[in-house]
Amino acid sequence: EIVLTQSPGTLSLSPGEGATLSCRASQPVVSNYFAWYQQKPGQTPRLLIYGISSRATGVPDRFSGSGSGTEFTLTISRLDPEDFAVYYCEQYGSIPRTFGPGTKVDI
Amino acid sequence: QVVQSGGGLVKPGGSLRLSCAASGFTLTEYYMSWIRQAPGKGLEWLSFIGDSAGHTNYADSVRGRFTISRDTAKNSVYLQMNGLRPEDTAVYYCAREYSAYDHWGQGTLVTVSS
Repeated sequence: EIVLTQSPGTLSLSPGEGATLSCRASQPVVSNYFAWYQQKPGQTPRLLIYGISSRATGVPDRFSGSGSGTEFTLTISRLDPEDFAVYYCEQYGSIPRTFGPGTKVDI
Repeated sequence: QVVQSGGGLVKPGGSLRLSCAASGFTLTEYYMSWIRQAPGKGLEWLSFIGDSAGHTNYADSVRGRFTISRDTAKNSVYLQMNGLRPEDTAVYYCAREYSAYDHWGQGTLVTVSS
């Protein structure tokens, strides 16, 4: 099983600042099948990034993904008030599919 | 669109079936997964069903207790949950896997308590 570790656990920032979220995999992710999700309280997770760096439909370009192998990053260039949420990384190249524990971005 | 139904309160050892109806796409063309989220916790993948043969797989935490299935005529996926435990209490999501999980159901709460 590929274990995903996210850091930091919590990121306290202000609107307009940039954010860098990290995710480390215990083994290389297969075929670049790596994604990021955003979840706000009481809401369903929303796909932001798939294939390491491709933005999902409707996702603003202030969100970008990068990385390879076992190290991945989600960058939010300028935080909008609606971006304060929990962010999860996920690998979908191996079974079982696994998620990271999440990074909370709060004010 | 993915619409879920089922869920509710069940006693330990009990059973429950969750349903997930898809519209706007054909289930057999995608992998469909069940994912859960315990209160205040992260996301946990449970099972998927996919391809024309209906290949399935399960997380160790539910293998032997939960069964995923689908009805192609109803374009629906199901999760039969047996031998429920208090630690199975969570919001359960059905999600389509296409370039990651791009469509999610609204989630349904399952509470296992006496």
